[in-house]
Amino acid sequence: DAKTTQPPSMDCAEGRAANLPCNHSTISGNEYVYWYRQIHSQGPQYIIHGLKNNETNEMASLIITEDRKSSTLILPHATLRDTAVYYCIVRVTGANSKLTFGKGITLSVRP
Amino acid sequence: NAGVMQNPRHLVRRRGQEARLRCSPMKGHSHVYWYRQLPEEGLKFMVYLQKENIIDESGMPKERFSAEFPKEGPSILRIQQVVRGDSAAYFCASSPYSNQPQHFGDGTRLSIL
Repeated sequence: DAKTTQPPSMDCAEGRAANLPCNHSTISGNEYVYWYRQIHSQGPQYIIHGLKNNETNEMASLIITEDRKSSTLILPHATLRDTAVYYCIVRVTGANSKLTFGKGITLSVRP
Repeated sequence: NAGVMQNPRHLVRRRGQEARLRCSPMKGHSHVYWYRQLPEEGLKFMVYLQKENIIDESGMPKERFSAEFPKEGPSILRIQQVVRGDSAAYFCASSPYSNQPQHFGDGTRLSIL
């Protein structure tokens, strides 16, 4: 699996958009970009995934650059409950479909 | 729709005992994955099973650890002769197909005395 690079931490103000960057410069054509988050002491929570088109759901938006070497997860209106570690993961599907977690980025939302 | 259920949530064992961790996947999910999170570390893949079959066990320690996902009932992660280094949070995830997102339970926290 290709590796991802994320800054160790960032913060944003409650109510503002949180833009979380991720670099995956060695991503292969058949690898998807997945985002999960882990709130302290809970299991990872699936957020969103995409291949090459931008994606949006009720939780977030995922913007993938045209060359697919980087992406940004956008939480449009961050709340205190969004404080968590966010993991950007690239993943093939099929028999080798495990998730490889890195260190993630710790997002702190301040009041 | 119930999520992935793991039990027990907390398990305490003495060195040398056996630990059995159970995972009931979401309804309709036949793919199960186990991950381990050691204190202050990231999650590491252990094993991937699909009803009665082990698909990928590349992350499983070669000794003392085993996993199964029988036709009926939950998936079981079994650790024999536990040691202090087995203390960790063990997470289970499930998906309906291998190309679908995995959904996680809230884990079992294993403590070894």
